[in-house]
Amino acid sequence: NAGVTQTPKFQVLKTGQSMTLQCAQDMNHEYMSWYRQDPGMGLRLIHYSVGAGITDQGEVPNGYNVSRSTTEDFPLRLLSAAPSQTSVYFCASSYSGLAEAFFGQGTRLTVV
Amino acid sequence: QKEVEQDPGPLSVPEGAIVSLNCTYSNSAFQYFMWYRQYSRKGPELLMYTYSSGNKEDGRFTAQVDKSSKYISLFIRDSQPSDSATYLCAMTLYNQGGKLIFGQGTELSVKP
Repeated sequence: NAGVTQTPKFQVLKTGQSMTLQCAQDMNHEYMSWYRQDPGMGLRLIHYSVGAGITDQGEVPNGYNVSRSTTEDFPLRLLSAAPSQTSVYFCASSYSGLAEAFFGQGTRLTVV
Repeated sequence: QKEVEQDPGPLSVPEGAIVSLNCTYSNSAFQYFMWYRQYSRKGPELLMYTYSSGNKEDGRFTAQVDKSSKYISLFIRDSQPSDSATYLCAMTLYNQGGKLIFGQGTELSVKP
């Protein structure tokens, strides 16, 4: 059972480039979310989804887009990368809004 | 001011010590409280989950919630080197499931 799978694990981007961080879960969870983790800041919610076709913004959504066309996948798009987006990104999924959230292993992104 | 405040540490204790990790929060509407453990370069894993004031025990771990003071704690008894990790408190509202608000995380090191 793979759980929550994030790809890639590491990425270096140049300022202005775009890319998509992939997240897939095989637990048939309705809830999926993206967080970023920066030193001294904990995890901050970027976007989340309560089911296929439904997404909403979190605390720090600017510069990021999401869509949820299937239950399994929740990709995060960086439209025009900026150095301020250098961070570790975590995807999470849960069976319901109040159930345990399972996290992926993270994507370490550096924007130069 | 962040909604959830957590002393970032780092905290270093000898093996066998009792560890106390704490978070305060400002939003009295938070109803669900969690503690996640995160090993270096890994995703967070749920350790404890509670929704009522009082204590909840699981082995060497005790989660304490005081809603009147807006204060939560995690106690680790007989700490082990394998407990060395970052501990993150998280909380959410009943009607905003899937949107976790995290503290900054406390880095704990247990020395043999």
